[in-house]
Amino acid sequence: QLQLQESGPGLVKPSETLSLTCTVSGGSINSNSYYWGWIRQPPGKGLEWIGNIYYSGNTYYNPSLKSRVTIFVDTSKKQFSLKLSSVTAADTAVYYCAGYLTAQGVFDVWGKGTTVTVST
Amino acid sequence: QSALTQPASVSGSPGQSITISCTGTSSDVGNYNLVSWYQHHPGKAPKLMIYEGSKRPSGVSNRFSGSKSGNTASLTISGLQPEDEADYYCCSYAGSNTWVFGGGTKLTVL
Repeated sequence: QLQLQESGPGLVKPSETLSLTCTVSGGSINSNSYYWGWIRQPPGKGLEWIGNIYYSGNTYYNPSLKSRVTIFVDTSKKQFSLKLSSVTAADTAVYYCAGYLTAQGVFDVWGKGTTVTVST
Repeated sequence: QSALTQPASVSGSPGQSITISCTGTSSDVGNYNLVSWYQHHPGKAPKLMIYEGSKRPSGVSNRFSGSKSGNTASLTISGLQPEDEADYYCCSYAGSNTWVFGGGTKLTVL
């Protein structure tokens, strides 16, 4: 069964770069059935799609975050990663990695999420 | 790309039915049959409940149903049970390989 697990620092200073990694287990990161994505939930707010990546490296980003976001994949480690630059307090959120199943057009597998706080 | 609009909260008693709306635009909900619904219990991973507007994944109770009319999608939960109490989010494909979520609806089972 496909499982995802986020990892990374829980505290990031303002203006620095947030870096998170998602490890894929129980399935292949090279699957042509999935895109791999990042979604976040700020405190008290709804979910926000950040971006997706295909195992080949093709990336798609939320236009509102595109200038600050980079998502990349390391198939040898079965991991994909998120970098968000120039963070502010508004980037404080629970960050989820998710698998987007292309056949159904859904995020059908999610990590449990990791909390990232932007603060001095 | 603006978030889809959902009511902040809905409530119902056990056994009753409730409906959660999700309003978008002709660029997302109204233009694609790719609306999905997720149940989210705090501290846990969101769970897919409905996809392609009205289809249920294997293992999801048939008490959950989805529909769409124009730019608005809806999730109906019939025969409310205490374990249905959670946050619910809609999501739609918005074109050009982008996706948009709703603001979320907190369901309280009274």
